[in-house]
Amino acid sequence: GQSLEQPSEVTAVEGAIVQINCTYQTSGFYGLSWYQQHDGGAPTFLSYNALDGLEETGRFSSFLSRSDSYGYLLLQELQMKDSASYFCAVRNDYKLSFGAGTTVTVRA
Amino acid sequence: DTAVSQTPKYLVTQMGNDKSIKCEQNLGHDTMYWYKQDSKKFLKIMFSYNNKELIINETVPNRFSPKSPDKAHLNLHINSLELGDSAVYFCASSPPSGTNVNYGYTFGSGTRLTVV
Repeated sequence: GQSLEQPSEVTAVEGAIVQINCTYQTSGFYGLSWYQQHDGGAPTFLSYNALDGLEETGRFSSFLSRSDSYGYLLLQELQMKDSASYFCAVRNDYKLSFGAGTTVTVRA
Repeated sequence: DTAVSQTPKYLVTQMGNDKSIKCEQNLGHDTMYWYKQDSKKFLKIMFSYNNKELIINETVPNRFSPKSPDKAHLNLHINSLELGDSAVYFCASSPPSGTNVNYGYTFGSGTRLTVV
């Protein structure tokens, strides 16, 4: 089976940097993904890491260390619209298994 | 223009009823899924279909029966609805593994099912 651990909540002010860590245990691993979900909305894809290292997409970056079964999502220059839930997910054969999600609250 | 569309968006029904949720994707993806999101926002896979064939059934009660008439459609029928079935159900699709480095799932907007 799969298990993923991520913090349940993070609060930060506008303009700050937030790092959401994710550790995982899984049998069969293709990569680590991150999804954003606003209240009442659908999960939307943010990033995918199959190899070790940092992937940068605008204000968001994602990191993976396969040997440590660990990754993180870095949110920079936080904006109010970044208030949402963020899920890490491991991909293996024919499915994504999600962590419980981290609620990020951005304060003015 | 919607990539993954599911209907209805809201469904309120009584215990014991039977209901269906429809899902269609126009992305040309081979694989489609049903996920259930509970009140604590935990997203759990229910079913995975690849080219109309059932690949994954994650110990879902057999009151839930998915049907895929073609690879662009995956519907979910639920018999004898129970209070515990209340949740948001998301349909999703993905391209074949290995064809896209950014292996992102595309989710529908969700169906909020309330059983009373």
